[in-house]
Amino acid sequence: NAGVTQTPKFQVLKTGQSMTLQCAQDMNHNSMYWYRQDPGMGLRLIYYSASEGTTDKGEVPNGYNVSRLNKREFSLRLESAAPSQTSVYFCASSDIAAANTEAFFGQGTRLTVV
Amino acid sequence: ELKVEQNPLFLSMQEGKNYTIYCNYSTTSDRLYWYRQDPGKSLESLFVLLSNGAVKQEGRLMASLDTKARLSTLHITAAVHDLSATYFCAVDLIQGAQKLVFGQGTRLTINP
Repeated sequence: NAGVTQTPKFQVLKTGQSMTLQCAQDMNHNSMYWYRQDPGMGLRLIYYSASEGTTDKGEVPNGYNVSRLNKREFSLRLESAAPSQTSVYFCASSDIAAANTEAFFGQGTRLTVV
Repeated sequence: ELKVEQNPLFLSMQEGKNYTIYCNYSTTSDRLYWYRQDPGKSLESLFVLLSNGAVKQEGRLMASLDTKARLSTLHITAAVHDLSATYFCAVDLIQGAQKLVFGQGTRLTINP
């Protein structure tokens, strides 16, 4: 069982470059999420997708865009990377229709913007 | 705005001792989650607490939820080195949507 798979695992970008972080889940979950984790802080929600075809902003959406490509895949795009976007990015998925459940997280993408 | 605060943020303890991590949150919610994170790794779900008075136990860890006090606790009994990790609590911003607001995390170090 792969669960939630993120690519790449590591990335270094120069300021102003663009890139897309990929996320795929094989648990048939409807909802998917992108979080960022900065040192000494908990995770903060960037964007989420409650179901295929819908996306919405989270707590820190500025500088990011997302695409829910299909039920399995949810990508995060940085159009013009800035040093403040240096962080570890986690994708998660969840079956919100099930009452007693939690979000499952990918392994993370460590992004450095220089 | 929902705020989630954990304390302590750092905890160093001896094997065999007991301790409690506290998680306070600022608005009404009856869904709270505890996660564990090892250095450089992803988050692993520990507990899902879905109602006032919920108590769950797994091995040496026990979590509880008091929605009236807006407080959850994670109690560690007779700590062992393998429990060294960072522990996060998280609360649903919109109940059931899994839009989670995380605490800052508690970095737990257990010394032999």
